[in-house]
Amino acid sequence: DQQVKQNSPSLSVQEGRISILNCDYTNSMFDYFLWYKKYPAEGPTFLISISSIKDKNEDGRFTVFLNKSAKHLSLHIVPSQPGDSAVYFCAARHGSGNTGKLIFGQGTTLQVKP
Amino acid sequence: ETGVTQSPTHLIKTRGQQVTLRCSSRSGHNTVSWYQQALGQGPQFIFQYYREEENGRGNFPPRFSGLQFPNYSSELNVNALELDDSALYLCASSPRGAGGHSDTQYFGPGTRLTVL
Repeated sequence: DQQVKQNSPSLSVQEGRISILNCDYTNSMFDYFLWYKKYPAEGPTFLISISSIKDKNEDGRFTVFLNKSAKHLSLHIVPSQPGDSAVYFCAARHGSGNTGKLIFGQGTTLQVKP
Repeated sequence: ETGVTQSPTHLIKTRGQQVTLRCSSRSGHNTVSWYQQALGQGPQFIFQYYREEENGRGNFPPRFSGLQFPNYSSELNVNALELDDSALYLCASSPRGAGGHSDTQYFGPGTRLTVL
């Protein structure tokens, strides 16, 4: 049962344009959401997060939007740069208990063309 | 500030063998989580260690075990290796948050395990 889904395996955008990566989840107990970026042969790098009590969080070129009623979040990258080309993972943290384990989506490969 | 480090980088084992992977957490982080990432998939939670005790476990069999040491570094041990254990093994460290949850997790580069 895939609780966190990234339905687009890949996305290609032109440099300077907006990249929008999407993520859907099913479990209403998730209380914290994160986006990670991963280059080949490296571990995931933390990008940005959002608490379930907010609907938007912005950090430089990166903005994450959360729509709790739709159980949907998205990552916007503006403007996109060739160095942003990587695999992006959406992750959700389960709110109950104290483990805070992360449940990841399958990832979306972003290619930014010069 | 030193980031999360893992060793070895790559490892090749044969079916039935045992393997130990190591992780040094980021400075000031007392919680270590281990994930398995199969090709083309997102990372899957194996277990977490806090104050040298297992603090939550994912859907992995008992042949996956771990340790955390007083300096917060950690080991992942896998016994009786199977072909399907071939994957990237990621370690992530985090501080324990105010609400009791582990906070944002920071990942190491991973260990690529191949089982032949």
